[in-house]
Amino acid sequence: DIQMTQSPSSLSASVGDRVTITCRASQAISNYVAWFQQKPGKAPKSLIYAASSLESGVPSKFSGSGSGTDFTLTISSLQPEDFATYYCQQYNSYPFTFGPGTKVDIK
Amino acid sequence: QVQLVQSGAEVKKPGSSVKVSCKAPGDTFSNYAISWVRQAPGEGLEWMGGIIPILNTPRYAQKFQGRVSITADESTRTAYMELRSLGSEDTAVYYCARGRDISSWFVKDWGQGTLVTVSS
Repeated sequence: DIQMTQSPSSLSASVGDRVTITCRASQAISNYVAWFQQKPGKAPKSLIYAASSLESGVPSKFSGSGSGTDFTLTISSLQPEDFATYYCQQYNSYPFTFGPGTKVDIK
Repeated sequence: QVQLVQSGAEVKKPGSSVKVSCKAPGDTFSNYAISWVRQAPGEGLEWMGGIIPILNTPRYAQKFQGRVSITADESTRTAYMELRSLGSEDTAVYYCARGRDISSWFVKDWGQGTLVTVSS
């Protein structure tokens, strides 16, 4: 199975901050990565697919990049509604494994 | 956004089985992948498996192989996930999720989740 790691596991940030979350795959996976946001007690929400394509309806403050083994999710200006846990997931090969998540909370 | 509607919460005894359903609206059910993802309390997301209904070839994570069955009924636009030999470690919220394009596994839409509690 492909292992997905994320860093940091948690971070504290202020409204208006630029935040970057990193996801690393244990082997090359081209651009087969997606990013999700999850708030407590809610279903995940799809943000990014194919490493850098923004899901419809998702604000442009979210962006994704990367290819191969290293990927990033960036939030350009953190807003109160962005405090949540973020997960990456690889779709290169079965099983489609998730990263352990990065919790973003208020500083 | 496509609304996937899942069946309600379940309480099960250890050793029993649970079957969770996921209904998709519209006439595009057959060509879109349905994944099943679970989340234990306080834990992260875990992909269990999925199916593209028109292909009818489910894929399972090795961890669940032999204990899970994922099926799809095209006539009712409903996907099912059955998990057998339940243990306390299977207590979790189970989500179905639909691919964003025909035959794409990239998830776009999620169900509301179904809480399965395994307790004696």
